[in-house]
Amino acid sequence: GAVVSQHPSWVICKSGTSVKIECRSLDFQATTMFWYRQFPKQSLMLMATSNEGSKATYEQGVEKDKFLINHASLTLSTLTVTSAHPEDSSFYICSARDTQLKFTDTQYFGPGTRLTVL
Amino acid sequence: QKEVEQNSGPLSVPEGAIASLNCTYSDRGSQSFFWYRQYSGKSPELIMSIYSNGDKEDGRFTAQLNKASQYVSLLIRDSQPSDSATYLCAVRSAGNQFYFGTGTSLTVIP
Repeated sequence: GAVVSQHPSWVICKSGTSVKIECRSLDFQATTMFWYRQFPKQSLMLMATSNEGSKATYEQGVEKDKFLINHASLTLSTLTVTSAHPEDSSFYICSARDTQLKFTDTQYFGPGTRLTVL
Repeated sequence: QKEVEQNSGPLSVPEGAIASLNCTYSDRGSQSFFWYRQYSGKSPELIMSIYSNGDKEDGRFTAQLNKASQYVSLLIRDSQPSDSATYLCAVRSAGNQFYFGTGTSLTVIP
């Protein structure tokens, strides 16, 4: 149980294009999902907290107009990197918390999406 | 002061030894504590959660929590080369925020 999926797992795009990453909780409902970014050999950096039915909460220094988050259902959150540039190349990871505490309050991570912007 | 602090390492132990990973946190009201393992290029995977003071054992892993000292640790017995990874400590604060440490890199030497 407690499976979180992400799609796509790997994407290469040209500079200036937009990329959408999906995060799904497969066997539980998640009112709250989290988006992280991780650069090589660095720690996880929380970008934003995604709340179902409301606006996401962004961490300081994260551009909300560049990283659009939509959490339209209890099992799906999307992160759209708009007008991507090479410096946005990173490993993007989502996580989800079980709203109904079926699996306690643990954060479960998706497998990550590796974005390369040329 | 960071919410969660870990020694970044690297920590090296010989195969079969006990690896000890430590973590301190700043919010005294924190209630939930987690250890994750992250292999290079992969996302974190949950190893253990602990909520009460004392020890919690799961196979070769033992989590230890001391809320008075605001300290949580992870012991790995009979360390194996496959345990080589970065170990992340995470804490859910009283304000219901999750905070991750920067991780400790562990290398188990065959």
